[in-house]
Amino acid sequence: AQKVTQAQTEISVVEKEDVTLDCVYETRDTTYYLFWYKQPPSGELVFLIRRNSFDEQNEISGRYSWNFQKSTSSFNFTITASQVVDSAVYFCALSERYGSARQLTFGSGTQLTVLP
Amino acid sequence: GAGVSQSPSNKVTEKGKDVELRCDPISGHTALYWYRQSLGQGLEFLIYFQGNSAPDKSGLPSDRFSAERTGGSVSTLTIQRTQQEDSAVYLCASSFRGKSEAFFGQGTRLTVV
Repeated sequence: AQKVTQAQTEISVVEKEDVTLDCVYETRDTTYYLFWYKQPPSGELVFLIRRNSFDEQNEISGRYSWNFQKSTSSFNFTITASQVVDSAVYFCALSERYGSARQLTFGSGTQLTVLP
Repeated sequence: GAGVSQSPSNKVTEKGKDVELRCDPISGHTALYWYRQSLGQGLEFLIYFQGNSAPDKSGLPSDRFSAERTGGSVSTLTIQRTQQEDSAVYLCASSFRGKSEAFFGQGTRLTVV
């Protein structure tokens, strides 16, 4: 069975600090997809990134970067120079079959608070 | 509107009553998803619709839960004989042809008393 673990329940940083959110996953499939979503206080989930299991290349998008390592079954998310607007709950998710939001298994989330 | 719209935003119901939750997806999006978010269970997949295909109901927790999507657009999630454990935020999302980026609504907070 698939499983996603986000061991960090809450993280608090001061603005401009870098912060890394950890995600460890379990799956028996060789083809799978990993996602990160952001949930601001307004409640909707905001898609950030999708990675498939055959693409271990790290990705950078502005202040966001993702480190995918199959050897350790991890898909960590780093925010560089954090801002107050980054405060939200961040979820890592796994899909064993589909590259869409179908049948996603989510981690329990990490509450990030960025202090001014 | 431009985003996924869900109504009502909040619903309080008595145990044993039936409730209907509505989702208006983004115009043109053929894929629609329902998820549930609760304190105890986190985020859980419920059901998926894609065009005219048979829905993927594999996440529905019991036969008290059902959903339909009329005309390939609006979707209604129905919970019959509600129980206290049904209390949660029900989130709806849509995407274009099942692509990776799904857009979520702000959810309906259901409280069963």
